[in-house]
Amino acid sequence: NAGVMQNPRHLVRRRGQEARLRCSPMKGHSHVYWYRQLPEEGLKFMVYLQKENIIDESGMPKERFSAEFPKEGPSILRIQQVVRGDSAAYFCASSPISGTGAGNTIYFGEGSWLTVV
Amino acid sequence: GEDVEQSLFLSVREGDSSVINCTYTDSSSTYLYWYKQEPGAGLQLLTYIFSNMDMKQDQRLTVLLNKKDKHLSLRIADTQTGDSAIYFCAESGNAGNMLTFGGGTRLMVKP
Repeated sequence: NAGVMQNPRHLVRRRGQEARLRCSPMKGHSHVYWYRQLPEEGLKFMVYLQKENIIDESGMPKERFSAEFPKEGPSILRIQQVVRGDSAAYFCASSPISGTGAGNTIYFGEGSWLTVV
Repeated sequence: GEDVEQSLFLSVREGDSSVINCTYTDSSSTYLYWYKQEPGAGLQLLTYIFSNMDMKQDQRLTVLLNKKDKHLSLRIADTQTGDSAIYFCAESGNAGNMLTFGGGTRLMVKP
């Protein structure tokens, strides 16, 4: 059973370009979470999605960032017109059920490292 | 809002015990977690504790929770060089959908 798969693992973009990060949850998982880790910091929650629905986007920046989890295919985190401050590691996690109450049912991917030059 | 704090750095000698501390502010936290992150890698869940427990042991790992003081610790017995990594404390509160992470403690194990 493959884990949470993220790609690309590393992405370099020039200022003003778009970045698209993809996440395939574990098999059987229908809940996806995106977190951002700025250099030398902990992870910060961005958005929680279920298939075709955004459930909680309280951590998403108001502009340039969007996320989707279509009926078919991976979840996508899209950053438009990237700036240097967007350079970070973006982690996806998935779970089979809602929330974190079951303790060990949230699994993280290996992350996508975005560098904006 | 919720806040989770950790010291930045800990250095120990191989074979000694390591104790990594964490404080949190959300009194409604239900689960508290410890994750390990090696350089350039994702997060590995080490262990977690439910908020109505005060201790959990799993092989070399012991988690202590003082709910009154909102203090969580992770003890690693017989620390090895392979334990060198960044350790993150995280909590899940009432919202349930998100984890709030501390800034991480970098553990360095000297041979």
